[in-house]
Amino acid sequence: EVRLAQSGAEVKKPGESLKISCQASGYNFAYDWIGWVRQMPGKGLEWVAIIYPGDSEVRYNPSFQGQVTISADTSISTAFLEWSSLKASDTAMYYCTRREDGQPFDAWGQGTMVIVSS
Amino acid sequence: DIQMTQSPSSVSASVGDRVTITCRASQGIRNYLAWYQQKPGRVPKLLIHGASNLQSGVPSRFSGSGSGTDFTLTITSLQPEDVATYYCQDYNIGPLTFGGGTKVEMK
Repeated sequence: EVRLAQSGAEVKKPGESLKISCQASGYNFAYDWIGWVRQMPGKGLEWVAIIYPGDSEVRYNPSFQGQVTISADTSISTAFLEWSSLKASDTAMYYCTRREDGQPFDAWGQGTMVIVSS
Repeated sequence: DIQMTQSPSSVSASVGDRVTITCRASQGIRNYLAWYQQKPGRVPKLLIHGASNLQSGVPSRFSGSGSGTDFTLTITSLQPEDVATYYCQDYNIGPLTFGGGTKVEMK
């Protein structure tokens, strides 16, 4: 069974850095895409970025390019999403999700709530 | 970039009613269209892929159709547990764009 276990909720101040994680199990982590989807409070789903851990190929939603960094560590089957300087507008639920090549997101993590407030 | 437009943004229906949600892509995406269901406070769940293929375990009252730019999700007999927001998504070559969502409520 595919399982994506995300790190816990975070409360940060504007300007702080943050790295959230998603540990995968139940499939070969290196050979499927893994990515992040944002959901702001009361709003819809937005794809942020995906990475192919096997060769570290990354794709960003242009709206998020330069705002976040996606990475993955195949030795611990874990994907990361990182901010160097958080803004209040980064406040959202972030879901980790997997896709096989050419397929939609078929497995989702439980979500990591990020709150950025002074 | 491809835009995905869903309509209606919300619908209220009774138990047993037929509910139809449409999704229009700004450019042709062949059949690379997925539908997701997100119940209140829950994680999104993949319902349909390839425009019309039900994911394993999804009840047969759900169906999808369409190709190119126009797609439809149909719930043939609405059940209380179907109260949720439904999203379409283009998963063709470029950005994995979601539609804005359709909230399905019970009358």
